[in-house]
This record gives sequence, structure tokens and C-alpha cells, in this order.
Amino acid sequence: AQSVTQPDIHITVSEGASLELRCNYSYGATPYLFWYVQSPGQGLQLLLKYFSGDTLVQGIKGFEAEFKRSQSSFNLRKPSVHWSDAAEYFCAVGRQYGNQFYFGTGTSLTVIP
Amino acid sequence: GAGVSQSPSNKVTEKGKDVELRCDPISGHTALYWYRQSLGQGLEFLIYFQGNSAPDKSGLPSDRFSAERTGGSVSTLTIQRTQQEDSAVYLCASSLLAGNTDTQYFGPGTRLTVL
Repeated sequence: AQSVTQPDIHITVSEGASLELRCNYSYGATPYLFWYVQSPGQGLQLLLKYFSGDTLVQGIKGFEAEFKRSQSSFNLRKPSVHWSDAAEYFCAVGRQYGNQFYFGTGTSLTVIP
Repeated sequence: GAGVSQSPSNKVTEKGKDVELRCDPISGHTALYWYRQSLGQGLEFLIYFQGNSAPDKSGLPSDRFSAERTGGSVSTLTIQRTQQEDSAVYLCASSLLAGNTDTQYFGPGTRLTVL
């Protein structure tokens, strides 16, 4: 069965510091991988997605993620965090053929001045 | 342009009552999803609509849950005989195309509280 694990429930970083949010997936075939962000009072917004090709994917707001098949990971990174990045981040996996998406439980990011 | 809208934004109901949650997808989007987000949980897939095809209901947790999509646009999620464990945020998303490659656009959600 497909599943997504986000090991870190909550992360606190200082503004300007680098960020890495972890995501591990379990899926037997080629996964479609996504990162979404949910800001307070806002709907989920897509940051980036990976289907195939270059394993380093660039997204909006300066985020990037790297797909590592050997580690079944799709970690999200940002070199310098801004206070406005404080939000909940969700990793998701979709099947190549199908309709369902499987979301992780999310990582809450706090940014301190 | 308008995004995905959901109503009501908040709903408080008593155990055993029925509730209807509404989703207005982005105009022209053919695919529509419903998810449930419980406290401390990730998003749980509930149901998927694609055009005139039969919906994928595989995520509905019980037969108390049902959904319909009229005219390929507005969708209503109905929960009958609500239970306290139904308390959650119900999210709707739409995408222009079918399948898992297209970006899903999410609504702000309906927060359901069952007393």
C-alpha cells in the first residue's frame, strides 16, 4: 500500500537559516510526488511536483526538492527561510495511474526572528 | 479569477444530524476531490469525480458519507447521522485535467464540529 511519512511533526528555524523537511514514501512503482503548503486560514497551495526527469525540482517561493529513489525520499529544502514561510507543509504521493493522493501528516514550521 | 470555494466555512451540528457541505470548483475544471483533515492527521482522500465518469468512492469511510456532483460543476458532500469522530476539516480540490499529473487547487475547507 502507498504511504507517506513525514518524520518531523514540528520544526523551528531562525529566519535566514536553511531548511530541510523530510518526506519518505512507500510505493512500488514510479511515484508522482508533491509538496503543498498550508498557511493559517489559507487553502493548500502546491509548491512543487515531480513526475520524472531531473531529480532536483524547483518550485515557487524559492523551494526545491530532490527525489532520491534509493532512499524513497523527496525532501523539501530552502536555503534561507523567511518569516512568511511559517506554515504547515504536506508531502503527497500519487499513483501514475489512478486518482488517489496520499498525504503525509504534515510538518509545522515555526520561524523565529 | 475565482478559486475553489466551499461553504459553509464552519458548521457545528449535533450528533445524529445530517450535514451537507458544498464545493464550487474552478470553472472548467473537470476533476474534483474531497478530502478530510482530522486534527494531527494528514489529508485523507474521500472521493474523486471526473467528468461524467463514475466517481471513485473508495475513500469514503462509511455508508453515512455520500457525495454528488451536479452538471459537472458544484459538488455536495453529505454526512448522515453525524458522529463525533466526523469532526474534521473537509477540503475540496479541483484540477483542470484528470489523473495525478495536474495541479490540484484547494478550497479553504469547511470545519465541521459534531457535538
